[in-house]
Amino acid sequence: QITLKESGPTLVKPTQTLTLTCTCSGFSLRTSGVGVGWIRQPPGKALEWLAFIYWNDDKRYSPSLRNRLTITKDTSKNQVVLTMTNMDPVDTATYYCAHSPTYYYDIGGYHNWFDPWGQGTLVTVSS
Amino acid sequence: QSVLTQTPSASGTPGQRVTISCSGSTSNIGSNSVNWYHQVPGTAPKLLIYSNNQRPSGVPDRFSGSKSGTSASLAISGLQSEDEADYFCAAWDDSLNGWLFGGGTKLTVL
Repeated sequence: QITLKESGPTLVKPTQTLTLTCTCSGFSLRTSGVGVGWIRQPPGKALEWLAFIYWNDDKRYSPSLRNRLTITKDTSKNQVVLTMTNMDPVDTATYYCAHSPTYYYDIGGYHNWFDPWGQGTLVTVSS
Repeated sequence: QSVLTQTPSASGTPGQRVTISCSGSTSNIGSNSVNWYHQVPGTAPKLLIYSNNQRPSGVPDRFSGSKSGTSASLAISGLQSEDEADYFCAAWDDSLNGWLFGGGTKLTVL
């Protein structure tokens, strides 16, 4: 059974750096094709993709947040870490990590999906 | 504002068939596959449909997905009260080199 669990501070002050850890079980971050993504959801709003890391350490970032985000993985601990600098109250959201089992390209383009998701962790940015 | 456009709300009565749409562009839905997630408020999203029309194990065949051009649809037949949730579409965008999510559709079972 694949599970992911997010951990980190529930409250951060404006301008501080947020560090979130996603602890993965039931799969290995070394497995070819596997990836982990981070997605956030402000209260009552839509999902927003933040970052993604592939098994081979290739990384992708949301263009609008690229200069504030860093995603890394620790294969020995099977963890993925997301850091976001210069936090602002508008960054208040539930942050999810999610497993991507595989990816491939065909005539229909790029195929990749998130399954399952962690339970999420609510991060509030306030002084 | 999400680049994938969804109607904010939809509704139906038990047993009915409901369709939720997702509109994008050539750089996302027009070029890549679409996934659908559902989310009961207060819980994490769950995968409902992947690669346009594939159901993960455990998802009833009442749920089906389709794609045509730059739009995608999720159909729910035999609507049940437990289907009341928020539904999000998602697709990779070649211009952004990342994922886009739709704004979500809140489905109410009357």
